[in-house]
Amino acid sequence: DVKVTQSSRYLVKRTGEKVFLECVQDMDHENMFWYRQDPGLGLRLIYFSYDVKMKEKGDIPEGYSVSREKKERFSLILESASTNQTSMYLCASSFLAAGRGNEQFFGPGTRLTVL
Amino acid sequence: AQSVTQLGSHVSVSEGALVLLRCNYSSSVPPYLFWYVQYPNQGLQLLLKYTTGATLVKGINGFEAEFKKSETSFHLTKPSAHMSDAAEYFCAVSEAGGGNKLTFGTGTQLKVEL
Repeated sequence: DVKVTQSSRYLVKRTGEKVFLECVQDMDHENMFWYRQDPGLGLRLIYFSYDVKMKEKGDIPEGYSVSREKKERFSLILESASTNQTSMYLCASSFLAAGRGNEQFFGPGTRLTVL
Repeated sequence: AQSVTQLGSHVSVSEGALVLLRCNYSSSVPPYLFWYVQYPNQGLQLLLKYTTGATLVKGINGFEAEFKKSETSFHLTKPSAHMSDAAEYFCAVSEAGGGNKLTFGTGTQLKVEL
């Protein structure tokens, strides 16, 4: 079974703190993605990566950065957390080859609350 | 740019009734379309996808969807709802340019009542 794991299910942080969300996949996928999910807005792409040390901005990258030092691990970083970053964060991964039809596999999510 | 519209943020059906969740898309390239399901406190799980070929696609748990190019639609159906189908459902379209990026709709919460 493909497994995408996220370091925490629930996280509470204070405004201004630096926050790290970690994601690990075990299927040797090239692509990895970070989304945030908010009620009524669906999933919005923050950043994605198609190779080690490669990253591209998604639709809402402001206030976030990412790191991919190893193929299996993709980290989302909130440099200075703010209350409007309270959300559910979902990590996903997929193969790169064969074009656009590849399934994305999702982790269970991290519910982040910024006080 | 691609976009996805899901009509109805909340749908309620009786157990045993037909489930119909609507999805319309816009795409500048031939669309690859997906339906994902999210059970409470879990990540998303693929239900089914359309890439090419047969326009009626069967997925897991008795769900199916039909790609209708003329209507730019990819509605999800299940003949008989079960209590375990209660979840949030997301339609998504794969973006042009590769990289497997998906554009998601805003989701439909399905409630199944006795």
